Amino acid sequence: DVKVTQSSRYLVKRTGEKVFLECVQDMDHENMFWYRQDPGLGLRLIYFSYDVKMKEKGDIPEGYSVSREKKERFSLILESASTNQTSMYLCASSLTRGLETQYFGPGTRLLVL
Amino acid sequence: DQQVKQNSPSLSVQEGRISILNCDYTNSMFDYFLWYKKYPAEGPTFLISISSIKDKNEDGRFTVFLNKSAKHLSLHIVPSQPGDSAVYFCAASVNNNDMRFGAGTRLTVKP
Repeated sequence: DVKVTQSSRYLVKRTGEKVFLECVQDMDHENMFWYRQDPGLGLRLIYFSYDVKMKEKGDIPEGYSVSREKKERFSLILESASTNQTSMYLCASSLTRGLETQYFGPGTRLLVL
Repeated sequence: DQQVKQNSPSLSVQEGRISILNCDYTNSMFDYFLWYKKYPAEGPTFLISISSIKDKNEDGRFTVFLNKSAKHLSLHIVPSQPGDSAVYFCAASVNNNDMRFGAGTRLTVKP
């Protein structure tokens, strides 16, 4: 049974803080993704990675960076958090690039004050 | 630029009746469409998909219909059950990449 875990369910940070959101998957998946979910906008892709040390920008990468040092772990970094980054962040992983095979974590709800 | 739109933020149906969730898209290059289901405090899970070469795909109580000329797809759930209450996301992609999600529709199935 695939498991994607995210380090925090809820997080409160202040404007300007550096924020790390961690995601770990236990199924040896090559591909990992970070999305944010906002009301009325659905899920939007921030960054993705098809291999260790590899990263690609998604649709809304501004203000974010990522790190993939190990296959099982994909970190999303907010270098200087801003209030417009208050959102639900979802991590996903997949064995293949087929979209239906993406497995999502439970999400981290981030509030930036 | 919302290329995938779910215009109904919520839908309420009676148990045993049909639920119809709608999705419209603007990009004619989309060739693969998916529906995801999301319960509170959980990540979305894949439900059903359809390729643009088909107009219907069925999996148990769930059927997805695709109308390419109208750029419209719909998810039918028959019969609806209280456990189907969740948020449903429509998604579309080109060449199995570059997926775009709709905003979601919250379905409530009343006993």
